[in-house]
Amino acid sequence: GDSVTQMEGPVTLSEEAFLTINCTYTATGYPSLFWYVQYPGEGLQLLLKATKADDKGSNKGFEATYRKETTSFHLEKGSVQVSDSAVYFCARSQGAQKLVFGQGTRLTINP
Amino acid sequence: GAGVSQSPRYKVAKRGQDVALRCDPISGHVSLFWYQQALGQGPEFLTYFQNEAQLDKSGLPSDRFFAERPEGSVSTLKIQRTQQEDSAVYLCASSTHRGTGANVLTFGAGSRLTVL
Repeated sequence: GDSVTQMEGPVTLSEEAFLTINCTYTATGYPSLFWYVQYPGEGLQLLLKATKADDKGSNKGFEATYRKETTSFHLEKGSVQVSDSAVYFCARSQGAQKLVFGQGTRLTINP
Repeated sequence: GAGVSQSPRYKVAKRGQDVALRCDPISGHVSLFWYQQALGQGPEFLTYFQNEAQLDKSGLPSDRFFAERPEGSVSTLKIQRTQQEDSAVYLCASSTHRGTGANVLTFGAGSRLTVL
């Protein structure tokens, strides 16, 4: 079945470091791709999305490009902040109703 | 309301008890989803409503799980005869559009169920 595989965490970085969190997805159909973020004590929030190949989603300094040839949607940020500490989930749409999530990557940024 | 509201936030049940989890979606949102998130895992789809119609319940793990949305707004997820493996965070999400596709889901903070 459809699946999403994320880089295993936890990931710990220093403030202002460059961030990459890898995500790959199964290539059935033409899914939309998403990154959701879960801050401590809060619900999942959409961070960014891309709906077709070569689209780039961006928000709050984070970017991810929909790469059909490598079935990837890696999350990047050039300079992370302590406030970016959270759990990040990559997801793909499945059919018209569902989202299939990766297992999540916990990110901790140290000052 | 301003967001998706779930209650209770925390529930502890003894094995064999029945529980009911409530979701109050954003007013006017057509679509409502339930997901189950085990510790350290990503959310997994349980069921989907479009207004009051339950269009997909393929993710419900057993017939002990039942969901309803009788008036197309508030939804309740009921778990009968709870088992320890039911311990998880149950997430509710709503959307203005039918289905997901490129549409954005707004998630509630979740109901954490612990079965002893």
